[in-house]
Amino acid sequence: KQEVTQIPAALSVPEGENLVLNCSFTDSAIYNLQWFRQDPGKGLTSLLLIQSSQREQTSGRLNASLDKSSGRSTLYIAASQPGDSATYLCAARKSNAGNNRKLIWGLGTSLAVNP
Amino acid sequence: DGGITQSPKYLFRKEGQNVTLSCEQNLNHDAMYWYRQDPGQGLRLIYYSQIVNDFQKGDIAEGYSVSREKKESFPLTVTSAQKNPTAFYLCASSITGTGSYEQYFGPGTRLTVT
Repeated sequence: KQEVTQIPAALSVPEGENLVLNCSFTDSAIYNLQWFRQDPGKGLTSLLLIQSSQREQTSGRLNASLDKSSGRSTLYIAASQPGDSATYLCAARKSNAGNNRKLIWGLGTSLAVNP
Repeated sequence: DGGITQSPKYLFRKEGQNVTLSCEQNLNHDAMYWYRQDPGQGLRLIYYSQIVNDFQKGDIAEGYSVSREKKESFPLTVTSAQKNPTAFYLCASSITGTGSYEQYFGPGTRLTVT
């Protein structure tokens, strides 16, 4: 059974730091993995999606990598800003067929970027 | 603007009453999903639908019901049988067929039952 873990649960950094958020999954047989951002009391915003055949995806200051063999994905945020403060969630999808299309969710990392 | 709307943002109900949460999308997505989010727990899938007039139970369907009469709409009813209905409810949608199935989310509805 796939399990997704995000460590640390919370992170506080000064503005301008480059930082890495971690996401681990127990079953390396994944179809893709998606990173989301959630602001307090709001819905989720999709940040990046990495297919199993890809090693990384980039969007602006964000870079997500995927290492299936080690069961890890990382979200790298360059030059962090106070506006990056939010909870970051990762979710893994086992396959593109039937019930296995469901996302398996981590609990998230709550990030605070201090000015 | 294309997107997913959920209404209302906040909803208050008395115990024993059924309540329906609205979810509408204009992204032309075939699949729609309902999740529940509670503090300290990951998102949990309630119901999902991959096509009009068809839907499947997720991991925690007991006490909930859905309908999918139109592609754009996937309302969720929280019935009086749901033992702990107070939560934040999120609706999402995605393309089906070949592809990534990337999910897009609405702003959520916070339901409080007293």
